[in-house]
This record gives sequence, structure tokens and C-alpha cells, in this order.
Amino acid sequence: EVQLVESGGGLVKPGGSLRLSCAASGIAFNDAWMAWVRQAPGKGLEWVGRIKSKIDGPTTDYAAPVKGRFTISRDESMNTLYLQMSSLKTEDTAVYYCTTVLGNPPSYYYYYMGVWGKGTTVTVSS
Amino acid sequence: EMVLTQSPATLSLSPGERATLSCRSRQSVSSYLAWYQQKPGQAPRLLIYDASYRATGVPARFRGSGSGTDFTLTISSLEPEDFAVYYCQLRSDWMYTFGQGTKLEIK
Repeated sequence: EVQLVESGGGLVKPGGSLRLSCAASGIAFNDAWMAWVRQAPGKGLEWVGRIKSKIDGPTTDYAAPVKGRFTISRDESMNTLYLQMSSLKTEDTAVYYCTTVLGNPPSYYYYYMGVWGKGTTVTVSS
Repeated sequence: EMVLTQSPATLSLSPGERATLSCRSRQSVSSYLAWYQQKPGQAPRLLIYDASYRATGVPARFRGSGSGTDFTLTISSLEPEDFAVYYCQLRSDWMYTFGQGTKLEIK
């Protein structure tokens, strides 16, 4: 069974930093494109950023609101995805979900979020 | 910037009725569009990918259709567990965009 388990959320002051982790099991993590998606309280889904598989890069792309402040990385030896968040703002308060990013033959256009973790809550407040 | 517009924002129907949810993009995305279902307090769940393919375990009453800029999610006969928020999603260049969601509520 594919499972993604996020951890590391909590309460942090504006300007502070936090690192989220996502432990993956049941998937070929080395080959997986991964992403972070967040959801502010009472709001919709917002893509945060994506990292390609190690074999495809592993390059990263970020949404404009977090670019330059957030960094996604991965550790294949631990089957773990990370989201390093710095210079946090109150508007970063959200549930953060870890997801796989999938695509299908023949194009292998990786765009949809196949598996989701349960999420971890980040609250930025003084 | 790619924008996805979902309509209606809220849809009030009764169990057994047919639901039709719309998603429109500014630019053509071929068939690279996905739909998700989210229930309160839960993570989103993939329903449909490539506009019309049901994800594993998704009941046949869920049907996706469309291509280019106009897409539809149809639920043929609503079950009580189908009342939730539905999001469409696509990728444009290296940006991933979600629609604002349609809340399907019990009438």
C-alpha cells in the first residue's frame, strides 16, 4: 500500500523557519516526482512546489508566493521528502500535504497528484 | 498565469440526483486535467485524470469528460458519501493550478 506520512508541523512566529518531512512507503521513491500542496483554513488547494525524480533531475519549481523562501529536497536513502520553509508569514498558515505527481504513457506528462498524505498543520502567528 | 474557473461555486442537490460540475481553463490543456474530491477534515482524493479516466477504486457513477478548455465532472446518481468539495487541476509549463472548488451540498 502506498503511504505518505507528513510530520514537522507546528506553531512558529513570523519570520521563523520550519522543516516538514514526508516519509514515503510502498512506492519506488527513486522514480517518483513529488509535490507539496497546502490549504489555508477554509480555503482551497494551493500548489506549493514540486521536485522531479532523482533520475530526471531532480529539479524543483515553486509557486510565486513561496519562491525564494521555501526549498524542497529529497533523500532517497530515507525515502523522505522535505520542505524547508523560512521567512514564514502569517499567510503561510495552512495544512501542508505531500503528494506524488503522476503521468501516463505515452507522453509521461507529469501533472496530477495521485497519492496524498493526511497533511501536517503549520501555524504562523506571534 | 493559468486560471481554472469552476462553476457553480455551490451545488445543492438531493441523493439520487445527477450532478454536473464544470471546469474551464483560459488556455487549451489537451486532456491533461484531473479532478479531486475532498471531504471535511480529510486529504483530497484523486477521482479522475487525463480528463476522463477514473482512478483506482472510483465508482463508475463518476464520469469525467471534455478536452481543450472545457471540462465536466458528472456524478450520475448521488450517494450520501458524494457530498464534498470537488477541485479540478492542471499543469501549465511548470506551474500546477487548482480551481477554486465546487461545494456539493445536500439540498
